Amino acid sequence: TQLLEQSPQFLSIQEGENLTVYCNSSSVFSSLQWYRQEPGEGPVLLVTVVTGGEVKKLKRLTFQFGDARKDSSLHITAAQPGDTGLYLCAGPALGGSQGNLIFGKGTKLSVKP
Amino acid sequence: NAGVTQTPKFRVLKTGQSMTLLCAQDMNHEYMYWYRQDPGMGLRLIHYSVGEGTTAKGEVPDGYNVSRLKKQNFLLGLESAAPSQTSVYFCASSYGVMRRAASNQPQHFGDGTRLSIL
Repeated sequence: TQLLEQSPQFLSIQEGENLTVYCNSSSVFSSLQWYRQEPGEGPVLLVTVVTGGEVKKLKRLTFQFGDARKDSSLHITAAQPGDTGLYLCAGPALGGSQGNLIFGKGTKLSVKP
Repeated sequence: NAGVTQTPKFRVLKTGQSMTLLCAQDMNHEYMYWYRQDPGMGLRLIHYSVGEGTTAKGEVPDGYNVSRLKKQNFLLGLESAAPSQTSVYFCASSYGVMRRAASNQPQHFGDGTRLSIL
């Protein structure tokens, strides 16, 4: 069974701090996606990583795909209150030619001013 | 530029009642999905569709039915609601132009339907 485990489950930090959240699996994934979900809204895609070892940057957010394609991390530099939300990682389900994804349970981030 | 629109946004039902949740997308996407999101459980796939007239079961399909009569619409039905179906329901859509690359396509989500069953 494919599982994506995210840690930590909850994170509360002060504005300006740095943080890293993790997405781990015992399965190999052809790609991983990261979404952010704000309260009362649906998830919105941040990035897709497709190559082992790949690093992508989105302003203050840095995403890394593990060399073995079993894990990924999201690092936020100088967090701001606008970064508050639920961060979800997702990967293709086995036989996912239909675009089916499995999601981790998410990391709930709160950034206080 | 609506994207994915879900109706209704909120609903309270009594056990045993039926209802239909509507999802509409204006992006000409081939694939559509219904998820439920529960605290501590993440997003779980209920049913999905790879094109007009086709549907398939996801991870948690029991108690739900779906229909995709038009490409832009995907309906989720609860025939006899149960308290265990209290949840937030999300619809999503994505391109399916190249099936091999379908898993890399982003899914576009609606803002959810919050359903409580008493």
